[in-house]
Amino acid sequence: AQSVTQLGSHVSVSEGALVLLRCNYSSSVPPYLFWYVQYPNQGLQLLLKYTSAATLVKGINGFEAEFKKSETSFHLTKPSAHMSDAAEYFCAVSLTGANNLFFGTGTRLTVIP
Amino acid sequence: GAVVSQHPSWVICKSGTSVKIECRSLDFQATTMFWYRQFPKQSLMLMATSNEGSKATYEQGVEKDKFLINHASLTLSTLTVTSAHPEDSSFYICSARERDRVDPQHFGDGTRLSIL
Repeated sequence: AQSVTQLGSHVSVSEGALVLLRCNYSSSVPPYLFWYVQYPNQGLQLLLKYTSAATLVKGINGFEAEFKKSETSFHLTKPSAHMSDAAEYFCAVSLTGANNLFFGTGTRLTVIP
Repeated sequence: GAVVSQHPSWVICKSGTSVKIECRSLDFQATTMFWYRQFPKQSLMLMATSNEGSKATYEQGVEKDKFLINHASLTLSTLTVTSAHPEDSSFYICSARERDRVDPQHFGDGTRLSIL
């Protein structure tokens, strides 16, 4: 079985500050891990994905995430928050790489000017 | 590339009517399409997985007769909410996976369904 836990349903940061969104996974086999962003009334946009290659994954819009097997974590970071980063962020896990995505409950990021 | 178009984006209708939502892959062939439901401020719940030319596989607890899914071509899947009632009001999102590629799912922009 596999699942993801996102710690913190709401995160607020000041513009220019570090963004850290936490995700811990549970999987019986090496997983595929994803971060998606959702803007209001829109679908999900892929930020980045981990597929057992490099443990530090760089995505779009300056985001990156590091796969840490020992901590079963895949936290999302961005050095400097922009107002446009305000959105809902979902971590997801899959055993097969594309099918059967299991989503976390999401973290709403607020950026304070 | 990898654009998924979902239509309509918003629909309001009376209780008892049926509503069809379309999901199209615009620039790739999608062997597999997924339908999700999202309640306000909650995560996505997978409803069903459909493969082109075959019957959809529904997740446990999802009524097959209520949510009819058709995936007749490599670029189009439809979800029909039959005899919709207010409790069916939700945000429905489709996604598609490209043929022959280990590639993430590409999501549509969703359809907000409101049943009066």
